[in-house]
Amino acid sequence: GAVVSQHPSWVICKSGTSVKIECRSLDFQATTMFWYRQFPKQSLMLMATSNEGSKATYEQGVEKDKFLINHASLTLSTLTVTSAHPEDSSFYICSAWGVMGENEQFFGPGTRLTVL
Amino acid sequence: DAKTTQPTSMDCAEGRAANLPCNHSTISGNEYVYWYRQIHSQGPQYIIHGLKNNETNEMASLIITEDRKSSTLILPHATLRDTAVYYCIVVWNAGNMLTFGGGTRLMVKP
Repeated sequence: GAVVSQHPSWVICKSGTSVKIECRSLDFQATTMFWYRQFPKQSLMLMATSNEGSKATYEQGVEKDKFLINHASLTLSTLTVTSAHPEDSSFYICSAWGVMGENEQFFGPGTRLTVL
Repeated sequence: DAKTTQPTSMDCAEGRAANLPCNHSTISGNEYVYWYRQIHSQGPQYIIHGLKNNETNEMASLIITEDRKSSTLILPHATLRDTAVYYCIVVWNAGNMLTFGGGTRLMVKP
């Protein structure tokens, strides 16, 4: 199946730092990418839907100024956690849906963010 | 998208079939049933999906009841590496957002 990568896989930062997470579709073009957050022992929670060339759509309760999403090309979406705080520590996962209409979403391996 | 209900956890002996049930009584006619699994600290992995007919691939089989109100994911010969959380998701379009419920934590034991 198609491959989605994320970078970095793990980041530790000090409180107040901004952290950028990249999500790439390696062998297909993704018109839509999704960003999820997962706290320990909990399920994935959708944060936002990212469409190439347009503004992201955020889920209720997710601060758009806190979590900046940029989907500038058909193979790359970025999530920037601005001024990260310990409560932002989580597992961030992206998924992508192919432009050719594949019948499945492909998930990245996730990025673990630890804010000290 | 319709809501799904799954048991919180299940155990299965290695080498035996693992049957994971999912209830989706409010599913509509054009909604698909998707199954993903998540091994600890990894991104979800697609397993299989179906609309009305039973489906089989190299990983699993999906049995959907005739009224489509429930389904069962079957791992024919479970291995220790199949230990994961399995999510049943109902969605009308693969390009839509996927809403993850609690899933079923499958523990395959030697």
